[in-house]
Amino acid sequence: DIQMTQSPSSLSASVGDRVTITCRANQTITTYLNWYQQKPGKAPKLLIFAASSLQTGVPSRFSASGSGTDFTLTVSSLQPEDFATYYCQQSYRIPITFGQGTRLDI
Amino acid sequence: EVQLVQSGAEVKKSGESLKISCKGSGYTFSTYWIAWVRQMPGKGLEWMGMIYPGDSDTRYSPSFQGQVTISVDTSISTAYLQWSSLKASDTAMYYCARGLTTAAHGGDYWGLGTLVTVSS
Repeated sequence: DIQMTQSPSSLSASVGDRVTITCRANQTITTYLNWYQQKPGKAPKLLIFAASSLQTGVPSRFSASGSGTDFTLTVSSLQPEDFATYYCQQSYRIPITFGQGTRLDI
Repeated sequence: EVQLVQSGAEVKKSGESLKISCKGSGYTFSTYWIAWVRQMPGKGLEWMGMIYPGDSDTRYSPSFQGQVTISVDTSISTAYLQWSSLKASDTAMYYCARGLTTAAHGGDYWGLGTLVTVSS
């Protein structure tokens, strides 16, 4: 299985801050990397697909980059609704695997 | 509007069987993979497997192979996840997701989840 490791596991920030979350795969996944946001009691929501493509309807303050094994998700100016848990996910090979999640708190 | 509507919460005892469902609407159901994802209480997301409704091609994560069965009824645009003998460790939220497969687009639509509680 491809192992996905996110850092940090948790992060405290304030409204207006710029934050970056990192995701690393233990083997190359080219750009088969997606990012999700999950709020408590809700289903995950796709933010970014193919490493850097913004899903329709997702605010432009979200951006992402990377290829191979190292990827980042950046929120340029945190809004109150952005406080959630974020997961990366590789879609390069079955079984599909997720990172352990990064909890973003105020 | 694309929707995945999942069946309601279940409370079961260890050893019982269970089948939960995920009904797709607003798109051509047979042309998108449907995956199932487990989220145990307070934990992360685990991909269990997926099915292609068009031909019932099914793939499982090794972690779940033999533990669950994924099936589909295209006549009613519904995918299923079933257990023949539940364990307390199956207590979790289960999500279905469209397109969560080996492709570049990610799981773009998710159901709201079905909470399964298994008591020993």
